[in-house]
Amino acid sequence: ELKVEQNPLFLSMQEGKNYTIYCNYSTTSDRLYWYRQDPGKSLESLFVLLSNGAVKQEGRLMASLDTKARLSTLHITAAVHDLSATYFCAVDREGSSNTGKLIFGQGTTLQVKP
Amino acid sequence: DTGVSQNPRHKITKRGQNVTFRCDPISEHNRLYWYRQTLGQGPEFLTYFQNEAQLEKSRLLSDRFSAERPKGSFSTLEIQRTEQGDSAMYLCANSRDGTDTQYFGPGTRLTVL
Repeated sequence: ELKVEQNPLFLSMQEGKNYTIYCNYSTTSDRLYWYRQDPGKSLESLFVLLSNGAVKQEGRLMASLDTKARLSTLHITAAVHDLSATYFCAVDREGSSNTGKLIFGQGTTLQVKP
Repeated sequence: DTGVSQNPRHKITKRGQNVTFRCDPISEHNRLYWYRQTLGQGPEFLTYFQNEAQLEKSRLLSDRFSAERPKGSFSTLEIQRTEQGDSAMYLCANSRDGTDTQYFGPGTRLTVL
């Protein structure tokens, strides 16, 4: 059974600091997705990573994918309060196919303190 | 706002009642997905439509659940004889063939008393 595990599940950090969220998955896949969810809201797509070595950056967030290690990272640079949210990674259940049937991790709740 | 709408946004019902939720996707997005999210967890895939055809149902979807997408436009998810374990957020997402980004709706939060 495909499993997606995130680490840590909860992260409290000071503004201005850097940190990394890890996402491990248990099957072959070269498609990985990162989403953000604010409390009581729906999911917003952040990044779509489609190949080994893919790196994407948007503002203070940078995501990367290592398909051989079955690992994706979401790096936060100089955190600001607006980044406080829950971040999910997800993998297509069919591995490298684009079926859209996503398996999500448990989520990492990020709290950025002033 | 992703352009995906869901109604109602909140539903409180008594155990044993039937409920129906609606999702209006972005036009031209032929793929439509339903997910369920419980507190503190990531969304779980329930079912998937390509146009009007329901191509897969997760084993999480018991016989009490049914989904439709008439004419490949809006979709409905019905839960019959609700149970307290059905309490969750029900999310609709859609995408176009050949693209990877799924756009999620705001969800319907169901509370079964």
